[in-house]
Amino acid sequence: EPEVTQTPSHQVTQMGQEVILRCVPISNHLYFYWYRQILGQKVEFLVSFYNNEISEKSEIFDDQFSVERPDGSNFTLKIRSTKLEDSAMYFCASRTSGNSYNEQFFGPGTRLTVL
Amino acid sequence: AQKVTQAQTEISVVEKEDVTLDCVYETRDTTYYLFWYKQPPSGELVFLIRRNSFDEQNEISGRYSWNFQKSTSSFNFTITASQVVDSAVYFCALSEAGRRALTFGSGTRLQVQP
Repeated sequence: EPEVTQTPSHQVTQMGQEVILRCVPISNHLYFYWYRQILGQKVEFLVSFYNNEISEKSEIFDDQFSVERPDGSNFTLKIRSTKLEDSAMYFCASRTSGNSYNEQFFGPGTRLTVL
Repeated sequence: AQKVTQAQTEISVVEKEDVTLDCVYETRDTTYYLFWYKQPPSGELVFLIRRNSFDEQNEISGRYSWNFQKSTSSFNFTITASQVVDSAVYFCALSEAGRRALTFGSGTRLQVQP
């Protein structure tokens, strides 16, 4: 069964460093998302991406964040200068079409620890 | 603005008990979609069910059942004869028709004791 994959599973970085989190969505999916979950809290939407551009972003997704689909398979989230409060689990998700009825398939997550 | 409330932070039951997880939502849209996801201790998010706002028919899938009531803006989830493997955090989520992002509730941690 096709699935969303994410690498790395755990990333440890120093405050102020740049990190890139990678995702490979399901191959025929067209809509891509990043969410984050601070430990013990709810899952929060960051950004959605379609047709090579951001279609929606939350207030969390400030200038420190960017997303890219550099090739036909990868979808990346970059945090330019990490802060302690960026420590969280980051989930990538994808969906087959724009119909909001279709469920989003989530990857296993990347746990980001900022020291 | 949309909002999802899961008032039960944590529930603990003994195996074979039935348990209901509550979800109350707020939206101004007439077309919206509701979802339940399970997050086991391993951390991934597993899709369980979806419902659109025009379909109030309740659904049963094995030991799981869902009760959607527009009149009370609720989408509750019941596990019958709970098992230890049901221990997880369960999230209710909402997506409005014009906005494709999911808004999650804060989750309910279910502990099923043997």
